[in-house]
Amino acid sequence: EPEVTQTPSHQVTQMGQEVILRCVPISNHLYFYWYRQILGQKVEFLVSFYNNEISEKSEIFDDQFSVERPDGSNFTLKIRSTKLEDSAMYFCASSEGPGGSNYGYTFGSGTRLTVV
Amino acid sequence: TQLLEQSPQFLSIQEGENLTVYCNSSSVFSSLQWYRQEPGEGPVLLVTVVTGGEVKKLKRLTFQFGDARKDSSLHITAAQPGDTGLYLCAGGRPGNQFYFGTGTSLTVIP
Repeated sequence: EPEVTQTPSHQVTQMGQEVILRCVPISNHLYFYWYRQILGQKVEFLVSFYNNEISEKSEIFDDQFSVERPDGSNFTLKIRSTKLEDSAMYFCASSEGPGGSNYGYTFGSGTRLTVV
Repeated sequence: TQLLEQSPQFLSIQEGENLTVYCNSSSVFSSLQWYRQEPGEGPVLLVTVVTGGEVKKLKRLTFQFGDARKDSSLHITAAQPGDTGLYLCAGGRPGNQFYFGTGTSLTVIP
């Protein structure tokens, strides 16, 4: 079964450092997403990406965050200057059709980011 | 942000019992999905419902979308330890992303 692959599985970084989280979505999917889940809290939407541009972003996705699809397979989330409160599990997802419709999301296994 | 409240937040039952999890909102959604998440893993899609009043069955799991498309329920019959996990509902509208509910953590005791 096709999978969404995320690397690394764990990342520890010092406050103020930049991190890049990587994702390889399912190859025939066109819509890509980043969500995060702080320990014990709900899954929160960060950003969606389609046709090489951001289609929607939440209030969490401020100027410290950026996304990129540098080639035909990778989808990255960059946090420029990490803060302690950025510590969370970050999930990448992809879907064949647009979000909010009857197309399901396939999630990766996540990257656990710890900011110290 | 679309607020989706799930109840109960935690549920611990014996193997073989039945249970129902609820997902409620004041907003109308064009579609609603249910996911199950296990520790250290991403959510896995169980079902999508798009029509008010729609009922879908997945083995021992029955999903219903409310007539007004503001709420949904998940009923599990004869729960098994393998059903243990975090159950998440997610509501969406075309052109908007799915927003997740607060989650129900289910533990099925053998």
